[in-house]
Amino acid sequence: GDSVTQMEGPVTLSEEAFLTINCTYTATGYPSLFWYVQYPGEGLQLLLKATKADDKGSNKGFEATYRKETTSFHLEKGSVQVSDSAVYFCALSLIQGGSEKLVFGKGTKLTVNP
Amino acid sequence: DGGITQSPKYLFRKEGQNVTLSCEQNLNHDAMYWYRQDPGQGLRLIYYSQIVNDFQKGDIAEGYSVSREKKESFPLTVTSAQKNPTAFYLCASRRRQGYYEQYFGPGTRLTVT
Repeated sequence: GDSVTQMEGPVTLSEEAFLTINCTYTATGYPSLFWYVQYPGEGLQLLLKATKADDKGSNKGFEATYRKETTSFHLEKGSVQVSDSAVYFCALSLIQGGSEKLVFGKGTKLTVNP
Repeated sequence: DGGITQSPKYLFRKEGQNVTLSCEQNLNHDAMYWYRQDPGQGLRLIYYSQIVNDFQKGDIAEGYSVSREKKESFPLTVTSAQKNPTAFYLCASRRRQGYYEQYFGPGTRLTVT
């Protein structure tokens, strides 16, 4: 079935370090891909998205490229800040029979230390 | 400002009681969703609704019920049949057609003792 696999956390980095959170997917069709971020005690916010192969989503210094050949959508940021500490979720969206199916990874907790 | 509201933020109930979680959106979205979040398990879909007066079970619907009488509202009832109801519950909505992302509410943390 359709699934999303994220690297397990927690991930702990120092401020200004480079961040990569790996995400791979399995899907029967051609999904859209998303990264959501969840700050403590809050709901999820969309961070970035890509709707077709080779698209690059970017927002707030974060980037991810939709790689169909490797079925991946890895999240990267060149220089993390303390305020980036949160849980990050990779997700895929498929439209099947007129209804949407959204599948989430288990989340990766990021802690950035000053 | 448009958005999704969930109330209350924290909810406490005794075992054996039904409890209803509120979800309201003013984004004019057709589709609405309920998820359950447990530590280390990501989000799991409970129920979703594509249009008013219609809804479908998600992956973990047992012990839950919903209604969709208005476009703006999608309340979730956690019944006494739900064996492990303590969790963080998230409501979301999206435009129905196309590859549009879901917008999430702030969540309700339910504790049943």
